[in-house]
Amino acid sequence: GIQVEQSPPDLILQEGANSTLRCNFSDSVNNLQWFHQNPWGQLINLFYIPSGTKQNGRLSATTVATERYSLLYISSSQTTDSGVYFCAVKSYDYKLSFGAGTTVTVRA
Amino acid sequence: NAGVTQTPKFQVLKTGQSMTLQCAQDMNHNSMYWYRQDPGMGLRLIYYSASEGTTDKGEVPNGYNVSRLNKREFSLRLESAAPSQTSVYFCASLFQLQAGVLFFGEGSRLTVL
Repeated sequence: GIQVEQSPPDLILQEGANSTLRCNFSDSVNNLQWFHQNPWGQLINLFYIPSGTKQNGRLSATTVATERYSLLYISSSQTTDSGVYFCAVKSYDYKLSFGAGTTVTVRA
Repeated sequence: NAGVTQTPKFQVLKTGQSMTLQCAQDMNHNSMYWYRQDPGMGLRLIYYSASEGTTDKGEVPNGYNVSRLNKREFSLRLESAAPSQTSVYFCASLFQLQAGVLFFGEGSRLTVL
C-alpha cells in the first residue's frame, strides 16, 4: 500500500512563530487531507487538498502531486495550535492511509 | 445533525470477552472506515466499507470483524479480545469514493485486561 511519511515528528514553537510541516507519499493520490488532533483527542479536518494551494486563516497548505509531497504552514502560532497534525492520503483503491503525525507544542 | 456517532465511548474488557463497537453516520456518506490509534503510531486502518454491502481489510484486520448493516451503520466486532487490542478506535465516513472530506467520530477507548 501507499506509504506516508511526515516530518518532523516533533516541533516545539514559541507563540507567534511560523512553521512548516511536511508529508511525503509514495504513490499517486486522488485524495489528500490534513487533520488536527487536539489534546482531547478530537480529529478535525483542516484541508482537503489533493493538489494546489489553500488557505484558511493562519493555516495554509500546498500539495505538489507530481512530486508527491504536501506542506502545511502554520503562521503566527498560538497555544491552541498545539496537538498532533496528520496527513492522510488515498490512492486509486479505497484505503485512506495516515502518516505517523507531527506533534506540535506551542509555548506561551 | 450529529455527524458520526460511536458507542460506547469507554469500555473495559477481560481477555477473551467479545464486544461490538457501533458507528452510525447521518450524512448519507457512501464509505465508512474503522481505525485504531496507538501512542506514537498514528491511525491504522482496520477495515473499510467502500459502499453499502461491501467490506474490505485494511492494514491491521486480524482479530476483528465488521458488518455494514446499512448505509448508515458500520460495526466493528472483537470476538475474543486480547490485551494487544487495547487502543482508541475511531470510525469515519466519506461521501465519495474518489474524493471528499473524511469525518470522524469522537473515538472509543477500549482497555483489555
